Amino acid sequence: EADIYQTPRYLVIGTGKKITLECSQTMGHDKMYWYQQDPGMELHLIHYSYGVNSTEKGDLSSESTVSRIRTEHFPLTLESARPSHTSQYLCASRSAGGPYEQFFGPGTRLTVL
Amino acid sequence: AQTVTQSQPEMSVQEAETVTLSCTYDTSESNYYLFWYKQPPSRQMILVIRQEAYKQQNATENRFSVNFQKAAKSFSLKISDSQLGDTAMYFCAFMKPQGAQKLVFGQGTRLTINP
Repeated sequence: EADIYQTPRYLVIGTGKKITLECSQTMGHDKMYWYQQDPGMELHLIHYSYGVNSTEKGDLSSESTVSRIRTEHFPLTLESARPSHTSQYLCASRSAGGPYEQFFGPGTRLTVL
Repeated sequence: AQTVTQSQPEMSVQEAETVTLSCTYDTSESNYYLFWYKQPPSRQMILVIRQEAYKQQNATENRFSVNFQKAAKSFSLKISDSQLGDTAMYFCAFMKPQGAQKLVFGQGTRLTINP
């Protein structure tokens, strides 16, 4: 079944740890996105990718980094987690052409102690 | 830069009632897309309805319809015959069809349908 997956769903980790949030989609979509959702529920784009070997920073500055080595995989990495990184992270993807709908993963809720 | 504003942080209605969620946006673009997304509690964000700016006809999807006023830059969502399963956060979003085609979201409206 075509879908978009995120792991882990929940992560509680101590300050200074390196973490990677996984995002995979089975729809063959070229474009992928990472959004950060703050406790007030607002969503802000932090990274996006047009396709393999393409990554761009989004509207909200983030200390995280991303990579796109395979079409289906778009992981997000924090080299040294801090409490300010506590948030929900949503991954999304869409095809290059219309109808422009983005499909969202279930999200990863990250808590940094 | 585009901005999207949802002025109703929370709304609550009884089951079977009709409810309208407001959204305004600011842009200098003439061609763009508007969306309403729904995020149920602890569940995935899903698309509710989509409107192309060049179409004058308002989009409808079953119980969901929009009132798109391009000149006023307004894009409200009407939910008819509301159901308990409609309880969710609702986000209005704007997208330019060029470039990254990223979504710019409003602040969200928390909608609760009461039995």
